[in-house]
Amino acid sequence: AQKITQTQPGMFVQEKEAVTLDCTYDTSDQSYGLFWYKQPSSGEMIFLIYQGSYDEQNATEGRYSLNFQKARKSANLVISASQLGDSAMYFCAMRVNQAGTALIFGKGTTLSVSS
Amino acid sequence: DSGVTQTPKHLITATGQRVTLRCSPRSGDLSVYWYQQSLDQGLQFLIQYYNGEERAKGNILERFSAQQFPDLHSELNLSSLELGDSALYFCASSTENNEQFFGPGTRLTVL
Repeated sequence: AQKITQTQPGMFVQEKEAVTLDCTYDTSDQSYGLFWYKQPSSGEMIFLIYQGSYDEQNATEGRYSLNFQKARKSANLVISASQLGDSAMYFCAMRVNQAGTALIFGKGTTLSVSS
Repeated sequence: DSGVTQTPKHLITATGQRVTLRCSPRSGDLSVYWYQQSLDQGLQFLIQYYNGEERAKGNILERFSAQQFPDLHSELNLSSLELGDSALYFCASSTENNEQFFGPGTRLTVL
């Protein structure tokens, strides 16, 4: 069965430091996509970054990068130079290319950035 | 702003009632997804429509139904509401196999 596991319920980091949010996934499919979303306290879901299973390079989007280790089935999010506005819940999600293209989400990690 | 709109933003109703949540996808997106976010279940996929046709079903209760109209907007109908249906309901849209963009959500409170 497809599953996303985020083992860190909460993470704390100081401004300007880098932080890694862990995500492991389980699927027997060869074709899949991995996503990270940010959910601030206001509730909206903001797309951050995407990695396809066949992409050889790690995805990067500004201060966000995805550390994709296919053999270990991990897709960790790295946020460089944390900012106070990064404080939010972060969700890892997987899309498996079967019938439909819905996302399976992990339980999320709450990131708190302090000054 | 993701370009996905949802109405209403908040909805308060009583047990046993029926409500309709509305979603307009981003321009050009043919796929619409509905998700439910609750404290105990987390974020769960409910149902997907693609260009008016049901594409996939997730953990959607029989009391819930959805449709996508020719103009691609979608509605999620929740009936015989129970206290446990209180949640944040998200609509998302995408082009095929690309990232999904989420609307602001509808917060449903069942009293």
